[in-house]
Amino acid sequence: DAGVIQSPRHEVTEMGQEVTLRCKPISGHDYLFWYRQTMMRGLELLIYFNNNVPIDDSGMPEDRFSAKMPNASFSTLKIQPSEPRDSAVYFCASSLGVISGNTIYFGEGSWLTVV
Amino acid sequence: ILNVEQSPQSLHVQEGDSTNFTCSFPSSNFYALHWYRWETAKSPEALFVMTLNGDEKKKGRISATLNTKEGYSYLYIKGSQPEDSATYLCAFMDTGFQKLVFGTGTRLLVSP
Repeated sequence: DAGVIQSPRHEVTEMGQEVTLRCKPISGHDYLFWYRQTMMRGLELLIYFNNNVPIDDSGMPEDRFSAKMPNASFSTLKIQPSEPRDSAVYFCASSLGVISGNTIYFGEGSWLTVV
Repeated sequence: ILNVEQSPQSLHVQEGDSTNFTCSFPSSNFYALHWYRWETAKSPEALFVMTLNGDEKKKGRISATLNTKEGYSYLYIKGSQPEDSATYLCAFMDTGFQKLVFGTGTRLLVSP
């Protein structure tokens, strides 16, 4: 398997523009997570899905952020409008089953810079 | 809000030195503790998943211990090599949630 695939790898955009990050989880995994990595706050969970259904979006910073998972092999994280403070690395991850004993597998991240 | 703390924040050692980091987490309602290794521009990679008090896990020169009663885990690297340079993240899950809460990581730099 190719692992978790994220796109784009790098994006530089102007403040106010819409940003869409994409993720393809590992085939067969039923959990999908979106994380954001910043120097100040480390790795924060934004939202996670189980069987394509959003379970917990309490980490989504504000209404400018939205995430969807229309099917088992694709998810998007959208920021509209983007702001400089959204600059971070956004990771998508997936796992099989309840993750207490199972590792989660991360993509390589989408490095977002908002200027 | 679950609080997971890691120390030190960063560490610079010489090749061949042995080192260790600490991950502190709530001691109640423990479910699992994960360790990940993250090299910049790559995917964070799982090192260990620990679920039982007293667990000790080993992978090559890297090992980890777990004390759920007092709420801490240690990660040890024996004979550090430059390729060990990375950020080491721990993540905690309690019995109430199906999600991992990560610490801010320990950034390790090993100089030749």
